[in-house]
Amino acid sequence: AQSVTQPDIHITVSEGASLELRCNYSYGATPYLFWYVQSPGQGLQLLLKYFSGDTLVQGIKGFEAEFKRSQSSFNLRKPSVHWSDAAEYFCAVVLNNAGNMLTFGGGTRLMVKP
Amino acid sequence: DGGITQSPKYLFRKEGQNVTLSCEQNLNHDAMYWYRQDPGQGLRLIYYSQIVNDFQKGDIAEGYSVSREKKESFPLTVTSAQKNPTAFYLCASSARTGANSPLHFGNGTRLTVT
Repeated sequence: AQSVTQPDIHITVSEGASLELRCNYSYGATPYLFWYVQSPGQGLQLLLKYFSGDTLVQGIKGFEAEFKRSQSSFNLRKPSVHWSDAAEYFCAVVLNNAGNMLTFGGGTRLMVKP
Repeated sequence: DGGITQSPKYLFRKEGQNVTLSCEQNLNHDAMYWYRQDPGQGLRLIYYSQIVNDFQKGDIAEGYSVSREKKESFPLTVTSAQKNPTAFYLCASSARTGANSPLHFGNGTRLTVT
């Protein structure tokens, strides 16, 4: 069965430090890949997506993600975290022939220390 | 501004009662979705609709019902048959189905059943 794994439930980083959030998927084919962010009590906002082409994609708010086919990973990165980045982050995938039926990972809650 | 409106933000019900959650969008999107969010489990798809008067079950449809009588509206009813209804419910829409049509999310309704 298809699945998306975010191994880290919680991550705490200091403001100004770099950040990497992990995402692994299990599919036979290359899926479409997404990262969403959710502030407390809010809906989800799309940060970035990968469909094909350059494996390093840029998103909003200074985030980027790299698709590594050999590792079935799509990790999210940011060089310098701001206090306002504290939120929950979700990786999601969809097979390219499955309409828009996203499968989400369990999420990673990011806390930022001053 | 265009967007998705979910109401109410908080909802409390007694066990055994049906309850309907509202979702309205003014984005002129064809497709609409309902997700359920529980801590540590990411989002799970309840129902989706690709067009007016048509909808399909998602991964966890048991105990839920929907209707799509108008393009802009996709209400979700949580019935008394849903064994564990307390959760955060998110509505989303996309211009069309297909992975290259990003999802736009509402701000959610937190349902508590006691």
